[in-house]
Amino acid sequence: GAGVSQTPSNKVTEKGKYVELRCDPISGHTALYWYRQSLGQGPEFLIYFQGTGAADDSGLPNDRFFAVRPEGSVSTLKIQRTERGDSAVYLCASSSLAGGRTGELFFGEGSRLTVL
Amino acid sequence: AQSVTQLDSQVPVFEEAPVELRCNYSSSVSVYLFWYVQYPNQGLQLLLKYLSGSTLVKGINGFEAEFNKSQTSFHLRKPSVHISDTAEYFCAVTLYGGSQGNLIFGKGTKLSVKP
Repeated sequence: GAGVSQTPSNKVTEKGKYVELRCDPISGHTALYWYRQSLGQGPEFLIYFQGTGAADDSGLPNDRFFAVRPEGSVSTLKIQRTERGDSAVYLCASSSLAGGRTGELFFGEGSRLTVL
Repeated sequence: AQSVTQLDSQVPVFEEAPVELRCNYSSSVSVYLFWYVQYPNQGLQLLLKYLSGSTLVKGINGFEAEFNKSQTSFHLRKPSVHISDTAEYFCAVTLYGGSQGNLIFGKGTKLSVKP
């Protein structure tokens, strides 16, 4: 597709369950980012991939959160033992290498996670 | 640590009126500055950015912003708004030479343009 695609668009789960969120970046973009946007807040950085490797995971809140990008394209954000405080919109973005250096990120529409 | 403050959470304005959305930042080192816009049911998209050079930067859809280093501000302006400008606007910074793509966003300003 032409833009960043995220699935599912909405996910409702129960506390303690495991969740996976998927991101398909713009074709050719080597850099991929995950952000989290809680209600009434701006997006917060979680992790950045360059190719297959996580170049910066300083934003992951704790070890329940993990992300992979095994083939350097699609990425999956994994959340174990979900808590109600994990409820948020999870945003994925991608960029070229040059674009990422100057902040030009292309965002998807997000996956809204609700933990009951 | 860096931070971004957007002083207005909501800004209602009539069509064809001018608008200014305010943004202040805090940083002890040089930063790049951005405005992103999120239209209803769409992803965030870059409106404009300041990297260096002229302090007045122009973006898409007739928006512009001015970097003021002494006041640590990067206010967004448009001389005449349209109904289609109704959206949420986010100011963001990243460290010059810092981790790629690690943007620090403000809480956003919802611009509502009324006919």
